[in-house]
Amino acid sequence: EPEVTQTPSHQVTQMGQEVILRCVPISNHLYFYWYRQILGQKVEFLVSFYNNEISEKSEIFDDQFSVERPDGSNFTLKIRSTKLEDSAMYFCASSNSSPLHFGNGTRLTVT
Amino acid sequence: AQSVTQLDSQVPVFEEAPVELRCNYSSSVSVYLFWYVQYPNQGLQLLLKYLSGSTLVESINGFEAEFNKSQTSFHLRKPSVHISDTAEYFCAVSVNQGAQKLVFGQGTRLTINP
Repeated sequence: EPEVTQTPSHQVTQMGQEVILRCVPISNHLYFYWYRQILGQKVEFLVSFYNNEISEKSEIFDDQFSVERPDGSNFTLKIRSTKLEDSAMYFCASSNSSPLHFGNGTRLTVT
Repeated sequence: AQSVTQLDSQVPVFEEAPVELRCNYSSSVSVYLFWYVQYPNQGLQLLLKYLSGSTLVESINGFEAEFNKSQTSFHLRKPSVHISDTAEYFCAVSVNQGAQKLVFGQGTRLTINP
């Protein structure tokens, strides 16, 4: 069964550094998403992306965040200047309608 | 806005015992309901969903959930659990059938003891 893949599985970065989290969605899917889960808290919606543009974003998704689909297969989340509070598990997901298919996540640790 | 509350953060049960994981939601509009499961070191996988029709929905591995509109609940049940059911379970809602934006509960960690 096709699956969403995320790399790396764990990334450690210093505060203030830029980080790019990578995702390869399921190949025929049209909708792409990023969610995150801060340790001990709920899984939270960050952004949805369709037809090469953001379709919806949460208040968490401020100017420090950006998403891109640089080619036909990758979907990336960039955090420009990481803060300690950005430490979380970041999940990529894709779909055509329902349900969402999630990747295994990237654990981001900001030190 | 929607919110989801999972009343139990951890549920330990013995193998072959029944289990119920509770989920309540709040919304001013109609919602669609989902249960996702996360096995250790894996991503979130859809377990079952309620979109319309029968309020009792089932998964292929023996779980079921019942949508109760009057109680705004979508509790997950299994009559007899296995060690392999050890995982974290997340209840989620969406206001659109395509589930583009899910609002999750905080998760319930189900631990099965032999």
